Amino acid sequence: QITLKESGPTVVKPTQTLTLTCIFSGFSLNTSGVAVVWIRQPPGKALEWLALIYWDDDKRYSSSLKNRLTITKDTSKNQVVLTMTNMDPVDTATYYCAHRDATRRVFGIWGQGTMVTVSS
Amino acid sequence: DIQMTQSPSTLSASVGDRVTITCRASQAINVWLAWFQQKPGKVPKLLIYKASSLESGVPSRFSGSGSGTEFTLTISSLQPDDFATYYCQQYNTHWTFGQGTKVEIK
Repeated sequence: QITLKESGPTVVKPTQTLTLTCIFSGFSLNTSGVAVVWIRQPPGKALEWLALIYWDDDKRYSSSLKNRLTITKDTSKNQVVLTMTNMDPVDTATYYCAHRDATRRVFGIWGQGTMVTVSS
Repeated sequence: DIQMTQSPSTLSASVGDRVTITCRASQAINVWLAWFQQKPGKVPKLLIYKASSLESGVPSRFSGSGSGTEFTLTISSLQPDDFATYYCQQYNTHWTFGQGTKVEIK
């Protein structure tokens, strides 16, 4: 059974750097085709893809946020970390990590999400 | 970047109605489209992938169709559990979600 769980601060101040961790189980990020993705959703708004990391350490970033994002993995710890610099109140959102299925290429299983508020 | 546009933004319907949501891509994405359902305060749930493939465990009243730039999600007979927001997502080139369609009770 695949599970993912996000963790990180609930509140960050403007200009600070956000670090979120996704700890997963039930799959290996060493398996060909597998990836973990980060997605966010501001309150009452739509989903927005942020970043994705493949099993081979290839990385993809949203073009609108790529200058602020870094995604890394630690396969020995079964975790993926997302950092977002220069946080702003508009970055207030629920942040999700999800598993990208190697065969079907879809985000089939998501974590519960973690709410991050940016406020001074 | 590929943009995804859903219509309508809000849909009012009754139990038993046939409901159709449309998703349009700004460029051709073949069949690389998924549909998600999200209820308030809950995690998005995958319903359909590859435009028309039903995710395991999803009721057969849900169906998807389309290719290229035009896609639809159809609920053949709306049930009380189906009142939610629905998102399309392309995964042809990177990943983009539509803005969502809220299905509310008429």
